[in-house]
Amino acid sequence: AQRVTQPEKLLSVFKGAPVELKCNYSYSGSPELFWYVQYSRQRLQLLLRHISRESIKGFTADLNKGETSFHLKKPFAQEEDSAMYYCALGNTDKLIFGTGTRLQVFP
Amino acid sequence: DAGITQSPRHKVTETGTPVTLRCHQTENHRYMYWYRQDPGHGLRLIHYSYGVKDTDKGEVSDGYSVSRSKTEDFLLTLESATSSQTSVYFCAISEGRTSKLDEQFFGPGTRLTVL
Repeated sequence: AQRVTQPEKLLSVFKGAPVELKCNYSYSGSPELFWYVQYSRQRLQLLLRHISRESIKGFTADLNKGETSFHLKKPFAQEEDSAMYYCALGNTDKLIFGTGTRLQVFP
Repeated sequence: DAGITQSPRHKVTETGTPVTLRCHQTENHRYMYWYRQDPGHGLRLIHYSYGVKDTDKGEVSDGYSVSRSKTEDFLLTLESATSSQTSVYFCAISEGRTSKLDEQFFGPGTRLTVL
């Protein structure tokens, strides 16, 4: 069955520390993966998708088919990165979301 | 923000009453989705639509129905609300022209409490 697993409910780091939000998936086929983010008092929005292979707000994510992972990384966390992050797997014309990880960046 | 509105934004109702949530878009996007967001469960798809009068079930469709009679409106109905349907409901849209998995744009959410 298609599934997205985000093992951490909460990740707390200090400003300037590296960040890695974990995402693992199960999918029989060629996956399309996304990271969505919800900042406080803002709407859920797309952060990045693996096919674009771009860095957004300093975040990158590499699809590792061998490990079935799509971890989100940033070398130096900023306070404004504090938010709820969701990993999502494309399944034909809809998305399967993980349970989300709340990132807290302390000053 | 993409032109997506949800109404009402907050609602408190009693068990057994019918409830309809409305999602309205001004983007002329093909796809519309209804999700619920619950702690520990993330976002789960309830129903979605890929065109006027074309809808399909999602992961948690039991107890919910939808209708889309116009491109711009997607209604979610709880025929007889239960306490387990207390949640935050999000509508999303996507263009669906270049790819079935175009970026989804989300509405502001509706907080529903069923007493």
